[in-house]
Amino acid sequence: DQQVKQNSPSLSVQEGRISILNCDYTNSMFDYFLWYKKYPAEGPTFLISISSIKDKNEDGRFTVFLNKSAKHLSLHIVPSQPGDSAVYFCAASSHGSGNTGKLIFGQGTTLQVKP
Amino acid sequence: DAGVIQSPRHEVTEMGQEVTLRCKPISGHDYLFWYRQTMMRGLELLIYFNNNVPIDDSGMPEDRFSAKMPNASFSTLKIQPSEPRDSAVYFCASSLGRTSNTEAFFGQGTRLTVV
Repeated sequence: DQQVKQNSPSLSVQEGRISILNCDYTNSMFDYFLWYKKYPAEGPTFLISISSIKDKNEDGRFTVFLNKSAKHLSLHIVPSQPGDSAVYFCAASSHGSGNTGKLIFGQGTTLQVKP
Repeated sequence: DAGVIQSPRHEVTEMGQEVTLRCKPISGHDYLFWYRQTMMRGLELLIYFNNNVPIDDSGMPEDRFSAKMPNASFSTLKIQPSEPRDSAVYFCASSLGRTSNTEAFFGQGTRLTVV
């Protein structure tokens, strides 16, 4: 039972254009969402996050949008650079009363930015 | 801090053998997670600990898998006996789960190949 889904296994964009990575979730208890970036032979590294009380969070070239009614979030990268080529994982957690810190990840989307 | 340290980086073993993966979390982090990366499911949570106590092991695929955290600075994931379908990259991560930002920091992973 995949609670966090990334339905696009791969995405290819031209350098300078916008990259949009999508993520859907099924658990309405999730209240914190994160994006991680992973290069080959390395562990995932944190990129950007958003709390469920917001609908947008921006950090430089990276912006995450959250649509709670649709249980959907997206990561926008603009402008895209060749160094952004990596696997991007969406993750979600539910703090609730216990703040478990448990992170559930999606399958990942491989982004290729062409020079 | 050196970050989350995993060993070994690569492990090749024969089917039926016991495999032990090791993890040293970031000092002061009270949550530790074991994930397995597969193409189909992405980063799959196997088990996580809070203050050295296993909280949720529902992701452990079979009884052949076991994990321990004898102290705050060390954890092991053991597979006994190993099977070819266990071949994957296994990641350990740690976090300060009690904060609102539940960013998890990952190790570089152990690539396990069972032949």
